[in-house]
Amino acid sequence: AQKITQTQPGMFVQEKEAVTLDCTYDTSDQSYGLFWYKQPSSGEMIFLIYQGSYDEQNATEGRYSLNFQKARKSANLVISASQLGDSAMYFCAMRANSGGYQKVTFGTGTKLQVIP
Amino acid sequence: DVKVTQSSRYLVKRTGEKVFLECVQDMDHENMFWYRQDPGLGLRLIYFSYDVKMKEKGDIPEGYSVSREKKERFSLILESASTNQTSMYLCASSFNGPNYGYTFGSGTRLTVV
Repeated sequence: AQKITQTQPGMFVQEKEAVTLDCTYDTSDQSYGLFWYKQPSSGEMIFLIYQGSYDEQNATEGRYSLNFQKARKSANLVISASQLGDSAMYFCAMRANSGGYQKVTFGTGTKLQVIP
Repeated sequence: DVKVTQSSRYLVKRTGEKVFLECVQDMDHENMFWYRQDPGLGLRLIYFSYDVKMKEKGDIPEGYSVSREKKERFSLILESASTNQTSMYLCASSFNGPNYGYTFGSGTRLTVV
């Protein structure tokens, strides 16, 4: 079975500081994808960054980077130079084979609040 | 700009009503999904479809059904709405494969009174 664990229900960060949101995963698949999504208070889910299980380099997208440690089964999101607009819920997700289908499993999310 | 469009942003329905939530995507995605999102419970998969006229139960299908007659449209049906179905409903679509994430619609906040 696939599982995503986010152990930080809520976090605070000072504006312009960097913050790391934790994510661990569990799967028996060798081929899988890891994703991070942002959900502002308006409700829409916004794709941030993707890491493939065979990618050797950590993914980066602007101020977002994914710290991928395969042996530890962790996929932490790092946001550099936090902005007030980064305040939102953040979900870690994994896509892997489940019952013959490629389904996405989501973590329970981390609520990030950026303080001016 | 690629899109997943959900027909309603907010919806209020009465207990016992039959409710239709519509989702349309314009990206030629094979896969489409319906989730509900509740505080503290995260996103839970209701139903998904990997191709036209195909449907599979997710983790919480009870009280719901779906229809996918065309590739671009995936409908969620609440056969007889109940108050415990008050929730945020999110539709998503994707290409098939582990390296494809979802594109989400903007969500429908359904209140059953």
